[in-house]
Order: sequence, then C-alpha cells, then structure tokens
Amino acid sequence: AQTVTQSQPEMSVQEAETVTLSCTYDTSESDYYLFWYKQPPSRQMILVIRQEAYKQQNATENRFSVNFQKAAKSFSLKISDSQLGDAAMYFCASLTQGGSEKLVFGKGTKLTVNP
Amino acid sequence: ETGVTQTPRHLVMGMTNKKSLKCEQHLGHNAMYWYKQSAKKPLELMFVYNFKEQTENNSVPSRFSPECPNSSHLFLHLHTLQPEDSALYLCASSHLGQGAQQPQHFGDGTRLSIL
Repeated sequence: AQTVTQSQPEMSVQEAETVTLSCTYDTSESDYYLFWYKQPPSRQMILVIRQEAYKQQNATENRFSVNFQKAAKSFSLKISDSQLGDAAMYFCASLTQGGSEKLVFGKGTKLTVNP
Repeated sequence: ETGVTQTPRHLVMGMTNKKSLKCEQHLGHNAMYWYKQSAKKPLELMFVYNFKEQTENNSVPSRFSPECPNSSHLFLHLHTLQPEDSALYLCASSHLGQGAQQPQHFGDGTRLSIL
C-alpha cells in the first residue's frame, strides 16, 4: 500500500523569500509518479508540479522545483520568490500505474505568505 | 476556468433526504473519480470509473451510490447520510494510462453539510 506523509501542518514565508515543503512517501512499486497539488480557498485542486520516479532529474516549473530523493523516498517542494498568490494548502500525492490509477494524498501543508 | 464542473457548489441536507451531486468533464478524459475531503484528513478516494465501468469502490458505505452514464458525466447519489459525511466532495478526471502525462484534473467540489 502507498502512504504519503507531510510532516508540516503549517508553514509561513515572507513575500519574495524561498520556502520548502516536505513530503515522504512509501511504495513497493517501481513505477510511480509524484505530484504536488495546490488548493487555494477557491477549493479547486491545481497541479503544481509532477515527477516521474524513473527520472533522476528534479522537475522544475518556473518558481517551483522539487528535490526528489528516491532512495530516501523524499519529495520536497521548493517555492522561490514567494508571492501572495502562493498562499494555499499544498498536497503531496503519489500514483502508481496499472489498472485504476489511484492517487494517494498526504494531509497537506497550509502555506501562509506574509507581505 | 476549469474543465471539470461540479454542481451544486454547496448543499445542506437532512439525514433523511435524498440528493445527488453532479460532475461533468469537458476534457475528453476516460476516467472519473470521486474523492472525499474532510478537515484534517487526507483526501480519500471513494470511487473510480474507467470507460463508464466502476473499477474501484474504496469500502464506501452504501448510502453513497455513484452513477456514470457516460465518460463525461459522473453522479453521486446520497441518501440517509450521517453527520460525519459532511465534507467537501471533489470530482476529478484523467486520461487513463497516461500517468504523469495526463494527471488528474479536479473540479471545485461540493461542500456538503448534513444537519
């Protein structure tokens, strides 16, 4: 069974600074994918960034990047130059392929951005 | 703007009522999902439909009854719910088999309150 753990219920960052959100996961599968989703107060779950487990290179999307440590089963999200609009709940999730594609989510980290 | 539309946005109902949640996706996806999001808990996968066939029922009580008439529409029929069923119900869709190339897209959710 897959599990995803986010150990930081809440984080805060000053505008324009950098923040890192932690995530660890556990899976017995060799082929899997990892995601960070953002959920602002509008409630829609928005994909921020994704990583294929077979790729060693860390994924990057503009100000968002990940630190994927496969051996340690760690998948942290770094947000650079934080903006007020980054304030949201951030969820780490894992997915294994084959049959039903089941996303397993962590409990989330609430990010506050201070002006 | 979202390719996955959920109605209603809010729903308040008594424990003896019968109501339905509706989800429609405009993305040409072939898989649809229902998730339950409760406070301080990870998102819980409830049901998965692939090509209109239910492939996953994550031990959901029978008072929740899903229906998928076609690959674009998904319903969740509710009857004799309990107060602990109050939560945000999220619908998602994806193109099955594409993994990270086609991640799940979420709607804005229906906030359900059981009196």
